[in-house]
Amino acid sequence: ILNVEQSPQSLHVQEGDSTNFTCSFPSSNFYALHWYRWETAKSPEALFVMTLNGDEKKKGRISATLNTKEGYSYLYIKGSQPEDSATYLCAFFQAGTALIFGKGTTLSVSS
Amino acid sequence: EPEVTQTPSHQVTQMGQEVILRCVPISNHLYFYWYRQILGQKVEFLVSFYNNEISEKSEIFDDQFSVERPDGSNFTLKIRSTKLEDSAMYFCASSEGTSGGGGVDTQYFGPGTRLTVL
Repeated sequence: ILNVEQSPQSLHVQEGDSTNFTCSFPSSNFYALHWYRWETAKSPEALFVMTLNGDEKKKGRISATLNTKEGYSYLYIKGSQPEDSATYLCAFFQAGTALIFGKGTTLSVSS
Repeated sequence: EPEVTQTPSHQVTQMGQEVILRCVPISNHLYFYWYRQILGQKVEFLVSFYNNEISEKSEIFDDQFSVERPDGSNFTLKIRSTKLEDSAMYFCASSEGTSGGGGVDTQYFGPGTRLTVL
């Protein structure tokens, strides 16, 4: 059974803190890794689709790295703001399957 | 900015009834998907749809479920004879298909329909 794990499950930081969380996935037959940002009562918003080992993507203060050989991706948020409060989902795609989601990391940023 | 829309936002139904969940994908997209999230659990893939037919489906997507693109804009999920365990948030998504679809394209999600089966 393919499984995607995200850690931590939740975290709380102060405004201005930088933070990061982890997505672990099977390292075999890797095809793509997706990151989504999901605010309550809104649509999950695509952040990155990563396909190559060593890939690094950046969108404003948010960046992500990918290690397909060991099966993990890190999402970094630099200088967290209250509007970054959301659940961050990763989803793994292996050839011949469909997107398999982790349970998410819920970030709360206090001002 | 184009977005995926879903109606209704919340649907309450009695066990055994049929429900149809509606989605309007982004207009130039070619691939369409349904996912669901049971409260407290992971988002789960149900089905993908391309060129007017199902391209992939999960074990969850049994004979109780069907999908249809009845016209050029809507994409529907029908659940026949709903069960209590069908209560979940159902998400529709679409992707351009420029990378051959599947899991490589960015998928754009709608806001979801919360289905409650009593």
